[in-house]
Amino acid sequence: GAVVSQHPSWVICKSGTSVKIECRSLDFQATTMFWYRQFPKQSLMLMATSNEGSKATYEQGVEKDKFLINHASLTLSTLTVTSAHPEDSSFYICSAIQRNTEAFFGQGTRLTVV
Amino acid sequence: GEDVEQSLFLSVREGDSSVINCTYTDSSSTYLYWYKQEPGAGLQLLTYIFSNMDMKQDQRLTVLLNKKDKHLSLRIADTQTGDSAIYFCAETTGFQKLVFGTGTRLLVSP
Repeated sequence: GAVVSQHPSWVICKSGTSVKIECRSLDFQATTMFWYRQFPKQSLMLMATSNEGSKATYEQGVEKDKFLINHASLTLSTLTVTSAHPEDSSFYICSAIQRNTEAFFGQGTRLTVV
Repeated sequence: GEDVEQSLFLSVREGDSSVINCTYTDSSSTYLYWYKQEPGAGLQLLTYIFSNMDMKQDQRLTVLLNKKDKHLSLRIADTQTGDSAIYFCAETTGFQKLVFGTGTRLLVSP
């Protein structure tokens, strides 16, 4: 199957700093990318849908000023957690699809805010 | 509304069959998926089924869909210790936004 790469795999940052997570589709052009958040022992919650060249669509309850999403090219979307706090610590996973194909998931990024 | 539920935990012995169940509420779902997540990793698509099918078999995996009851199951034959993971079902009305179930942790003991 197609490959989606997330970077970094894990990151530790101080409260108040910002962290950028990258999601790349390595062998296909992703018209749409999704960002999910997963709390320990819980399911994945969709945070936002990102279409190349347009603004992301955020799910209800997700602060768009806190979780900045940029999908500047067909192979790269970034999620920036701004002014991170310990409650933002979580596992963040992206997925990418071409037009009308299955979603391929990145390996996830574990964020720990101290 | 969208709500996908699974039992939290399943424990089986190596060599037995495992059956993981999922119920969903969105009758307009067109595709239903099963994903596997190993500790600290992303999701791996195992299989999916179209809503107009009631069964799909893929090697050791059998998916059953009861659209009337909105019930989906995943049967793993000859379960191995490497099958220990969390299994998520997910639904979508197209190849777009996925709604995930709560996840079932499968533990396979030797």
